[in-house]
Amino acid sequence: EPEVTQTPSHQVTQMGQEVILRCVPISNHLYFYWYRQILGQKVEFLVSFYNNEISEKSEIFDDQFSVERPDGSNFTLKIRSTKLEDSAMYFCASSERMRGVYGYTFGSGTRLTVV
Amino acid sequence: DQQVKQNSPSLSVQEGRISILNCDYTNSMFDYFLWYKKYPAEGPTFLISISSIKDKNEDGRFTVFLNKSAKHLSLHIVPSQPGDSAVYFCAASITTSGTYKYIFGTGTRLKVLA
Repeated sequence: EPEVTQTPSHQVTQMGQEVILRCVPISNHLYFYWYRQILGQKVEFLVSFYNNEISEKSEIFDDQFSVERPDGSNFTLKIRSTKLEDSAMYFCASSERMRGVYGYTFGSGTRLTVV
Repeated sequence: DQQVKQNSPSLSVQEGRISILNCDYTNSMFDYFLWYKKYPAEGPTFLISISSIKDKNEDGRFTVFLNKSAKHLSLHIVPSQPGDSAVYFCAASITTSGTYKYIFGTGTRLKVLA
């Protein structure tokens, strides 16, 4: 079964450093998303990406965040200068259609720890 | 701003019995709802969905009920199996708004006891 692949599974970084979280969405999917889950809290929408541009973003997705699809397969989330409160599980997702009638296919997540 | 609420953080059920997971929402504009299941160290996986034009959707052991007037949905798992032990999230969206996002609840941890 096709899956969304995320790397690394765990990233530890110093506060103020830049991190790039990588995702390989399902190949025939057109819509890409990043969500995050701070420990013990709900899964929160960060950004959606379609047709090589951001289609929607949340208030969390400020100037410190950016997304890119540098080639035909990867989809990356960059945090420019990490803060302690960025520590969370970051999930990439993709869908064939907008929102997906069957929701998204999520990756296994990258646990980001900012120290 | 908790538009989607799952008020029970955890639930324990005996194997073979019914599990009922509840979800309440505050935004009457939500018209599409999903349930996801999440195992530790994995991403959420889609379970079942329901559109607001329906009040019930069934898929095998899983049934979702939607009560629009009460702004409440529930997921029934019958019979419950130990492999169903996971965190269950409900999520909602407004399909007519052009939004791409789902609003998730905080999840309910289900433990099915053998």
